Amino acid sequence: KAGVTQTPRYLIKTRGQQVTLSCSPISGHRSVSWYQQTPGQGLQFLFEYFSETQRNKGNFPGRFSGRQFSNSRSEMNVSTLELGDSALYLCASSPRQGRDGYTFGSGTRLTVV
Amino acid sequence: AQKITQTQPGMFVQEKEAVTLDCTYDTSDPSYGLFWYKQPSSGEMIFLIYQGSYDQQNATEGRYSLNFQKARKSANLVISASQLGDSAMYFCAMRGFTGGGNKLTFGTGTQLKVEL
Repeated sequence: KAGVTQTPRYLIKTRGQQVTLSCSPISGHRSVSWYQQTPGQGLQFLFEYFSETQRNKGNFPGRFSGRQFSNSRSEMNVSTLELGDSALYLCASSPRQGRDGYTFGSGTRLTVV
Repeated sequence: AQKITQTQPGMFVQEKEAVTLDCTYDTSDPSYGLFWYKQPSSGEMIFLIYQGSYDQQNATEGRYSLNFQKARKSANLVISASQLGDSAMYFCAMRGFTGGGNKLTFGTGTQLKVEL
């Protein structure tokens, strides 16, 4: 079966712009989580959606937001981009909230110039 | 709060040798899960192995095994018979099952290099 699909794979944006990243989970998976990975801060949890509701949020400013659609696809948005937002953004899906494992996508590498 | 500590920034191992990657954790959650992921240079996080806090036996998945010592709060990954394709970044992660939400807390990772 198809894995977790993240689009686009690479993105270059200018400071002050906004960006939207997309994540399509494995079919049947209802939980989608987002993580930011940078050399300085490592892997940090952004937020988690389950059944179109945000269930958990990490310690990020309000410029970072997300949503989940009825088909479980998720998007995250970053407004007013800063240079420090340059990172690899990873999406992970799991069947439900619980003890299940997480399957990650290949990530979107965002560069802010 | 949960914390994962990986004290080995980089490791070298000869091909076909075994290697142990260290991971210690801290949590107040009585029920939790521990994960190991591999991240090649392409960026994708590849799931390797899982250990539940109440599992009686250490987890094994092919060449990967997890040396789980609950009292010492350690969950070391053992890779047997290393291959060149094992060269990658390895992350230890955990998730609490009571009140922690559905999120993973990651360590800082260990860069493994397998040499001929």
